[in-house]
Amino acid sequence: GNSVTQMEGPVTLSEEAFLTINCTYTATGYPSLFWYVQYPGEGLQLLLKATKADDKGSNKGFEATYRKETTSFHLEKGSVQVSDSAVYFCALRLIQGAQKLVFGQGTRLTINP
Amino acid sequence: DGGITQSPKYLFRKEGQNVTLSCEQNLNHDAMYWYRQDPGQGLRLIYYSQIVNDFQKGDIAEGYSVSREKKESFPLTVTSAQKNPTAFYLCASARQPGNQPQHFGDGTRLSIL
Repeated sequence: GNSVTQMEGPVTLSEEAFLTINCTYTATGYPSLFWYVQYPGEGLQLLLKATKADDKGSNKGFEATYRKETTSFHLEKGSVQVSDSAVYFCALRLIQGAQKLVFGQGTRLTINP
Repeated sequence: DGGITQSPKYLFRKEGQNVTLSCEQNLNHDAMYWYRQDPGQGLRLIYYSQIVNDFQKGDIAEGYSVSREKKESFPLTVTSAQKNPTAFYLCASARQPGNQPQHFGDGTRLSIL
């Protein structure tokens, strides 16, 4: 089946620290991969995406590279800010069919000043 | 501005009552989705619709019902058959066909009195 496994949280870092949130997936076929971010009390916002192997998605200083050989899509940021505190979800979507999203369990990130 | 509107933001239900959550989009998207989010878990798909007057069950459809009479509207009814309805409910939409990301509303938090 299709599934996404994320790094267990919560993650707490100091401002300007380097961030990595691990994400690995299992999929039949060739999925697109996404990172979504959820701020308190809000819905999800698309952070970045990659649609094929070796693609790098980037946005707001965050990056993730689609690694087919390791079935991974780790999220990274070189210098985090307090405003990055949120819950981050990794997700996959198969191209065929109804294009349903399969989510990881989410990783709560807290950045201290 | 185009977007997805979910209402109400907070909803309370008595035991044995049905309750309907509203989701409206003005993005002219064909596909719409309902997800349930529980603490510490990822999002799970309840129902989805790829076109007006058609919808399919997701992974956890039991105790829920939907309708899709208009392109812009996809209401979700939580019935009394849903034994554990307390959760955060998120509606999403996406352009079809194509490899387009899903856009999310801000969610409705349902609680049992």
